[in-house]
Amino acid sequence: AQTVTQSQPEMSVQEAETVTLSCTYDTSENNYYLFWYKQPPSRQMILVIRQEAYKQQNATENRFSVNFQKAAKSFSLKISDSQLGDTAMYFCASLDNYGQNFVFGPGTRLSVLP
Amino acid sequence: DVKVTQSSRYLVKRTGEKVFLECVQDMDHENMFWYRQDPGLGLRLIYFSYDVKMKEKGDIPEGYSVSREKKERFSLILESASTNQTSMYLCASRSSVDGTNEQFFGPGTRLTVL
Repeated sequence: AQTVTQSQPEMSVQEAETVTLSCTYDTSENNYYLFWYKQPPSRQMILVIRQEAYKQQNATENRFSVNFQKAAKSFSLKISDSQLGDTAMYFCASLDNYGQNFVFGPGTRLSVLP
Repeated sequence: DVKVTQSSRYLVKRTGEKVFLECVQDMDHENMFWYRQDPGLGLRLIYFSYDVKMKEKGDIPEGYSVSREKKERFSLILESASTNQTSMYLCASRSSVDGTNEQFFGPGTRLTVL
């Protein structure tokens, strides 16, 4: 069974600084997908970034990028130039190529401080 | 704009009551999911459905049932609510055919059982 671990329950960062959220996962599959989802306070959960395991290049979406280390089963999220609107719970998740269901980590609560 | 909607944002029920949580998606997605979200535990899958009238148990189905009579609607039923079912409930949907594997979430229903 897949598992996803986020070792940082809470983090904070100053506005305009850079922060990295950690995620490790465990899967026996060779093909799978990894995701970071963002859940702002009292708002809907939305996709931040997605990585396909067979792609070696790290995914990037504007200020958000990942460091995907397949051998180490690590998938960290880097947020550059942090903004107040980045304050949210961030969930790391995995989906194997044959499975139907996501496996979510416990989440990291990020606070961006003015 | 893609949408997953849930019938209530907040709900207060008494122990022993039958509770219905409704979810509707307008994206013609085949797959629909019900999760509960608790602090420190992330999202845990209760039930999912990959087609009309089909349902599969997730990781924590005890005390819950579901119904999917139409493709766009997936209902979660608490037959006899208990205080340990106080939680945030999230509905999600996902296409089987678009290749993105992106899962879209509803705004959530915060259920309190007294």
